[in-house]
Amino acid sequence: DTGVSQNPRHKITKRGQNVTFRCDPISEHNRLYWYRQTLGQGPEFLTYFQNEAQLEKSRLLSDRFSAERPKGSFSTLEIQRTEQGDSAMYLCASSFGTGDGYTFGSGTRLTVV
Amino acid sequence: GQNIDQPTEMTATEGAIVQINCTYQTSGFNGLFWYQQHAGEAPTFLSYNVLDGLEEKGRFSSFLSRSKGYSYLLLKELQMKDSASYLCAVRKAAGNKLTFGGGTRVLVKP
Repeated sequence: DTGVSQNPRHKITKRGQNVTFRCDPISEHNRLYWYRQTLGQGPEFLTYFQNEAQLEKSRLLSDRFSAERPKGSFSTLEIQRTEQGDSAMYLCASSFGTGDGYTFGSGTRLTVV
Repeated sequence: GQNIDQPTEMTATEGAIVQINCTYQTSGFNGLFWYQQHAGEAPTFLSYNVLDGLEEKGRFSSFLSRSKGYSYLLLKELQMKDSASYLCAVRKAAGNKLTFGGGTRVLVKP
């Protein structure tokens, strides 16, 4: 297992376009998290899954954001009608149960022009 | 809600010691984590405290006082590669979501 994998690493898109990111967690990890991080700030929680169930979604997540984890393995995060304020690093992390910290992926850097 | 405060930036000299403080207010508590993040990279796990006291891991130590809502990360024998941001994160009693502070950028100078 090579850790948490995120694709793409970088994405540049025009305002108003839709984008989708993928995260492949560590295979035995049942929990998967999405965070957003802007320059000089700590990661902000967006949403998390236990297996395929989405257990919590941040109030920061507008209706333009949706996340899925259809088979309890990989997850996708979609942003519709992107805005310049969506430009950030989108981090995925996974963990096993509630006793451990997270393992983060390298992130997807989104730039909306 | 949760409120987590840590200094924005600290500067120290190679070989010295630096202490990064973190204070938190939370309606539930089930652990405090420290992560290191180099520029442009993902955060990596450093330490975890759930009980009061000091946890030592090589050059890095972390301390927790639950009654004071206070933790610190101690970095000893600083090396140039320790220049990074250090993130304090709190886990509430319910669930495993981590809430992060804004991070402390540490610059190690020769």
